[in-house]
Amino acid sequence: DAKTTQPNSMESNEEEPVHLPCNHSTISGTDYIHWYRQLPSQGPEYVIHGLTSNVNNRMASLAIAEDRKSSTLILHRATLRDAAVYYCILSRSGGYQKVTFGTGTKLQVIP
Amino acid sequence: EPEVTQTPSHQVTQMGQEVILRCVPISNHLYFYWYRQILGQKVEFLVSFYNNEISEKSEIFDDQFSVERPDGSNFTLKIRSTKLEDSAMYFCASSEGYSPLHFGNGTRLTVT
Repeated sequence: DAKTTQPNSMESNEEEPVHLPCNHSTISGTDYIHWYRQLPSQGPEYVIHGLTSNVNNRMASLAIAEDRKSSTLILHRATLRDAAVYYCILSRSGGYQKVTFGTGTKLQVIP
Repeated sequence: EPEVTQTPSHQVTQMGQEVILRCVPISNHLYFYWYRQILGQKVEFLVSFYNNEISEKSEIFDDQFSVERPDGSNFTLKIRSTKLEDSAMYFCASSEGYSPLHFGNGTRLTVT
């Protein structure tokens, strides 16, 4: 599996935007970029995914660099409930999508 | 919104005993997974299951572990003879295939 690199931790003030970076310089052409998060004492939760174009959903936006070697998860207005570990994961296309978790970025939201 | 449910939420067992962790995946999903997370560590892949057979397993998933989909709705993980180091959160997940994984909230297994 291609590797991703994320900062160990980040802080954000409540109600401000948060940009969580991820580097994936060895990404292959068929790798999708997935983001999951894990709230305290809960299972991982899917956030968003994309291949080449920027993506938006109700939870977040995903900005993908033109060369696909990096991406940024954007939370438009951080809330206390967004405090979690955020995982950037590359997953091959196809019917079976095992995801391999790294250590992620622990986001702390300050009231 | 449909969700993956896991039971029990907490299981305590003695070393050497067998445990079965149960999961009800989302009903139209075809792919099923077990992961575990030892306290303070990463979420680790154990096994994936499709079409009533294991499609991939990790090194952790040794002969002590088995999975089964006994009745078309439940998906179970059995540990035959638990060890202290099996203490962890166990997460079940399911997916349609060309879609993200949906995880349950886990079963905390404590082996004493």
